[in-house]
Formats: sequence, structure tokens, C-alpha cells
Amino acid sequence: ETGVTQSPTHLIKTRGQQVTLRCSSQSGHNTVSWYQQALGQGPQFIFQYYREEENGRGNFPPRFSGLQFPNYSSELNVNALELDDSALYLCASSLAPLGGSEQYFGPGTRLTVT
Amino acid sequence: GESVGLHLPTLSVQEGDNSIINCAYSNSASDYFIWYKQESGKGPQFIIDIRSNMDKRQGQRVTVLLNKTVKHLSLQIAATQPGDSAVYFCAEGAGGTSYGKLTFGQGTILTVHP
Repeated sequence: ETGVTQSPTHLIKTRGQQVTLRCSSQSGHNTVSWYQQALGQGPQFIFQYYREEENGRGNFPPRFSGLQFPNYSSELNVNALELDDSALYLCASSLAPLGGSEQYFGPGTRLTVT
Repeated sequence: GESVGLHLPTLSVQEGDNSIINCAYSNSASDYFIWYKQESGKGPQFIIDIRSNMDKRQGQRVTVLLNKTVKHLSLQIAATQPGDSAVYFCAEGAGGTSYGKLTFGQGTILTVHP
């Protein structure tokens, strides 16, 4: 059984640019959630994908968007990057989207916006 | 929005002592609660969860206590080891027909001295 993997590990972008982060869910998991973790804070929910559709969204602007593919892997896209987007982006997979208490997190992608 | 701060609560203990990490949650309608451990450079790791209809749950060396009256959650770690040093987060989630969004607390830094 493979765990949640994310790529790339680290990324440096310039303000105004666009970025795509990738996540492969744990084997057998059909639901992927994305979180943003700023330095010194807990993760904040961005959105969740289930059956290739967005299944709930946190308080993030539309320039944060995502995709889920038939193999359950997922992408997080951020347009028009701002300095405050610098954070650790975490992907978590779970067996189901409804009240699933066991979300397994990947190691994250550290994004730095300069 | 949430307040921003780089000064997380800290707890320092000696190896072999018992540790108690506390968390106040905000949503009285939350259906389940989870404790995560996050080591430097890694994603959050599931430790233990508890449903809202329970007040205590035990795992291996860990116990979670839930007091819904005062909206308080605690994690007790028995015989704390240096490998337990990490940031600990509590998270709350809504069950039922809502999606599996987790709302994380600020986190507590646990340092275990040999």
C-alpha cells in the first residue's frame, strides 16, 4: 500500500505567476482534500475533490482551483500568485468524503512566492 | 479570519513523564475530533480520533478526552519519549451529509528532553 505523495517538494515562484501542485492519493482512496498551512499555523481547508468534482470549499478565492483525475490523483492550481500564498500545501486522501475522520496527509509542497 | 501568530503554545517534559496537550474547539455541532502529530518537514500524522457521542478513547500510549460542555479536548501521552517531540494539532470535523472538511486548531509544540 502506497501513501500520499506530492510533487514538487519545494517551489519558488514570482508574484503574479501561476503554479500547479500535484498529489497522488493513497491506494484505494477516492477523495482528496487540499489544505494551506502558513508558517506557525494549523492547516486551513481549501477544497475537497470526490468523483472528479469539487465537493466543498473553504474560504479561498476563485484563483485557487483544482482537478481530480479518474485515478483519483489531484492537482491544485493557483493563479496570480500573491506573497501571502507562500505556505506549505498539504494534500490528504480518504476513503470517503462524508465525515471521514481518517485523512492521510502527504508531506506537502513548500511554495515560496517572491 | 483567524489571528496570525508564530508563537505557538509550548510544552516541555522530561522523557518518561506523562504529557497533556489541551485544545479548545469552536463548533458545538462538530461530529468528530482528531489529534494529529506533525514533525518538521512532514505532513500531519493521524494519532487518534473521537466521536462526539464519546467522552474518552484510548489508544497505544495515548488517551483523548472530550468535554462537550466546555468545548474542550485533551490528548494525554503516557511515558513520553523523545520521538514524541513535534507539533500537535487538534482538528474538528462535521459528519452527516457535510463534506469531510477539517478545521484545525493553532497547535502545541511538545519538546521531550532525554
